[in-house]
Amino acid sequence: EPEVTQTPSHQVTQMGQEVILRCVPISNHLYFYWYRQILGQKVEFLVSFYNNEISEKSEIFDDQFSVERPDGSNFTLKIRSTKLEDSAMYFCASSRVRVQETQYFGPGTRLLVL
Amino acid sequence: GNSVTQMEGPVTLSEEAFLTINCTYTATGYPSLFWYVQYPGEGLQLLLKATKADDKGSNKGFEATYRKETTSFHLEKGSVQVSDSAVYFCALSDRGGGADGLTFGKGTHLIIQP
Repeated sequence: EPEVTQTPSHQVTQMGQEVILRCVPISNHLYFYWYRQILGQKVEFLVSFYNNEISEKSEIFDDQFSVERPDGSNFTLKIRSTKLEDSAMYFCASSRVRVQETQYFGPGTRLLVL
Repeated sequence: GNSVTQMEGPVTLSEEAFLTINCTYTATGYPSLFWYVQYPGEGLQLLLKATKADDKGSNKGFEATYRKETTSFHLEKGSVQVSDSAVYFCALSDRGGGADGLTFGKGTHLIIQP
């Protein structure tokens, strides 16, 4: 069964450093998403991406975040200058179409900012 | 705005007990409703979904019915197993209301004891 994959599974970085989290969505899916889950809190929507541009973003997704689909398979989330409060589990998801469609999640990347 | 409220955990039950995890929602449009499950060390997996009022989603012995009149989507299972121990997230998708991202509840940690 096709699945969303994410790399790395864990990343530790120093405050102020840039990180890139990578995702490979399910191959015939057209919509891609990033979510984050700070330890002990809700899963929160960050951004959605369709047709090579951002479709929607939340208030959390400020100028330090960016997303890109650099080739036909990868979907990346970049955090330019990490802060301590960026420490969280980051989930990538994809869906085949937009309306009423199930989103399939990857296993997540646990980011720790020191 | 949209919101999902779940019963707080942890919920501890004995094997073969009946399970109910309550979920209520607030949405501006006509949402689809989901239950996702997160097993220890893993990502979010779709457990079941319902896309319109009175629909019943079911999977692996779990069921939930979309109740528009009570804005609820409670998760039930008749006889739980130790392997059901996980965190369960209720979520909604309000794409008819223009939102791409899923709105999640805080999650309910379920512990099943042998």
